[in-house]
Amino acid sequence: DQQVKQNSPSLSVQEGRISILNCDYTNSMFDYFLWYKKYPAEGPTFLISISSIKDKNEDGRFTVFLNKSAKHLSLHIVPSQPGDSAVYFCVGDSWGKFQFGAGTQVVVTP
Amino acid sequence: DTGVSQNPRHKITKRGQNVTFRCDPISEHNRLYWYRQTLGQGPEFLTYFQNEAQLEKSRLLSDRFSAERPKGSFSTLEIQRTEQGDSAMYLCASGDTANSPLHFGNGTRLTVT
Repeated sequence: DQQVKQNSPSLSVQEGRISILNCDYTNSMFDYFLWYKKYPAEGPTFLISISSIKDKNEDGRFTVFLNKSAKHLSLHIVPSQPGDSAVYFCVGDSWGKFQFGAGTQVVVTP
Repeated sequence: DTGVSQNPRHKITKRGQNVTFRCDPISEHNRLYWYRQTLGQGPEFLTYFQNEAQLEKSRLLSDRFSAERPKGSFSTLEIQRTEQGDSAMYLCASGDTANSPLHFGNGTRLTVT
């Protein structure tokens, strides 16, 4: 069962513009959410996280929003840079069991 | 470099052979995880350890798979009688306290011919 869903497999955005990645989840026991970024032939790298008691967390160019009632998260990247081109994974954590979505491939074009 | 280290980076084996992968976590981390990733999918949880105790195993982990973490330090993942469907990237991650991020190694890519 896919408890974390990223329905957009890919996203193309122009350099300097905003990238918005969306994620939906079904497990109401998730109490901690994370976003990871992955380049080819490397392991996922942690980007930003949010506790379920918050609705927003910001770190530099990255902001994560959580809407618990809708079971929805989003990641905003502003401004997008060429080095942001990668696969982004949404992750939900319940009791130390981290569940990944299928990922969204982001391509930042000049 | 004090990140998570995985060896080997690549492994090619024939169907039916046994393989073993090693993971060295970040030294102060007491949680250690194994994931498997196939093309176009996100990493799938396999198992995790709190120190030397294996706390949970996914139903994806058939009887041919076994993981150990002796003394709560490094971990090994063994696959017996490999099948072509075992071909994947095997990722190891370690973490500190609850509600803190996992740190991943660069994985071991297994190809079963």
